[in-house]
Amino acid sequence: AQSVTQPDIHITVSEGASLELRCNYSYGATPYLFWYVQSPGQGLQLLLKYFSGDTLVQGIKGFEAEFKRSQSSFNLRKPSVHWSDAAEYFCAVGLHASGGSYIPTFGRGTSLIVHP
Amino acid sequence: KAGVTQTPRYLIKTRGQQVTLSCSPISGHRSVSWYQQTPGQGLQFLFEYFSETQRNKGNFPGRFSGRQFSNSRSEMNVSTLELGDSALYLCASSQGSGEPQHFGDGTRLSIL
Repeated sequence: AQSVTQPDIHITVSEGASLELRCNYSYGATPYLFWYVQSPGQGLQLLLKYFSGDTLVQGIKGFEAEFKRSQSSFNLRKPSVHWSDAAEYFCAVGLHASGGSYIPTFGRGTSLIVHP
Repeated sequence: KAGVTQTPRYLIKTRGQQVTLSCSPISGHRSVSWYQQTPGQGLQFLFEYFSETQRNKGNFPGRFSGRQFSNSRSEMNVSTLELGDSALYLCASSQGSGEPQHFGDGTRLSIL
């Protein structure tokens, strides 16, 4: 069965510092890969996605992620964190399903804390 | 363009009751999926509807059901509520196959 691991439950960074959130997946083929962000009391917002092609993906809010097939990883990065980036971040893997759709499996999330 | 709208935002029920949650997708989106989010289990997929048909289903008991109308609006029903059904229920819509999902802000269901 496919699975997604986000090894860090919490990460604390200082404002202006760089950020890397880790995500590893287990899946038999190259899956669809996603990063979402969730602010308190809100739903999930898509930051970026990888379906195929260039393994370095640019997203919104200055985020990027790199797909590394050999490591089964899809880590999220940002060169300079802003206080407004404090939120819960979810990595997701899309299992191909009927009708050409996919069923996402989400990691347990990483809570990002930003110190001023 | 309006986002995904879920109603109500908050709901309190007692054990044994049933509940219906509503989701209005982004205009033009034909796929609607439902998720349950709890601190213990995280985000779990419930089911997906596309063109009024359930296309995919997660591993939840039959007490959880849904439907989609011709205008793509969707409802989710949970019967015989249990304490463990307390959760944030999220709806997401997409244009269809392989397209990324856009989430609503969820319905917070509390069971007393």
